[in-house]
Amino acid sequence: ETGVTQTPRHLVMGMTNKKSLKCEQHLGHNAMYWYKQSAKKPLELMFVYSLEERVENNSVPSRFSPECPNSSHLFLHLHTLQPEDSALYLCASSLTRTMGNEKLFFGSGTQLSVL
Amino acid sequence: AQTVTQSQPEMSVQEAETVTLSCTYDTSESDYYLFWYKQPPSRQMILVIRQEAYKQQNATENRFSVNFQKAAKSFSLKISDSQLGDAAMYFCAYRHLTGTASKLTFGTGTRLQVTL
Repeated sequence: ETGVTQTPRHLVMGMTNKKSLKCEQHLGHNAMYWYKQSAKKPLELMFVYSLEERVENNSVPSRFSPECPNSSHLFLHLHTLQPEDSALYLCASSLTRTMGNEKLFFGSGTQLSVL
Repeated sequence: AQTVTQSQPEMSVQEAETVTLSCTYDTSESDYYLFWYKQPPSRQMILVIRQEAYKQQNATENRFSVNFQKAAKSFSLKISDSQLGDAAMYFCAYRHLTGTASKLTFGTGTRLQVTL
């Protein structure tokens, strides 16, 4: 257990649905991240939040909408997804985002299937 | 752009034996950090070991050690006395020191099986 909790663990949704992924950490970290993990591909960084401010958006389609209401919670709102968006979505946190050797703490991910 | 290559999609090792997972990377930076993360079936990635590029001494963490060859841009992970709990996906990752400090570049992973 790394202290980062993600819900739900699995999610199946149709292309017209709207759903949200939730991530929570009580480690006192100031930076939170969303990663996408697809089979046989490197992890892709999607969004970075530092002190609740979005500091990075790696050309992610607008059908993915992040929200960080406070430093402990991070959401990923999903709407009108495509089947190629099916993947494992991982949340991570770190104390800061500025230290190069900083350790990331990951959640167990949400396995998303888009039908 | 930095890239990280893990050329072994799958590896297998017998319990109590030693296995080495390979990782190479491409960068023009001189200062950076390298990491190995483990992802067990629970899917929760955890840090195994990390190495600062300016340090010549190879990092070690109990049964885990690295062979860092800066000139060759190679960063292999050695697992000694392998245990069943070592079975997982292992990801090599790179982060440069300047610029977008938060961005880790990952490899595609190596799946390690541990047999009795």
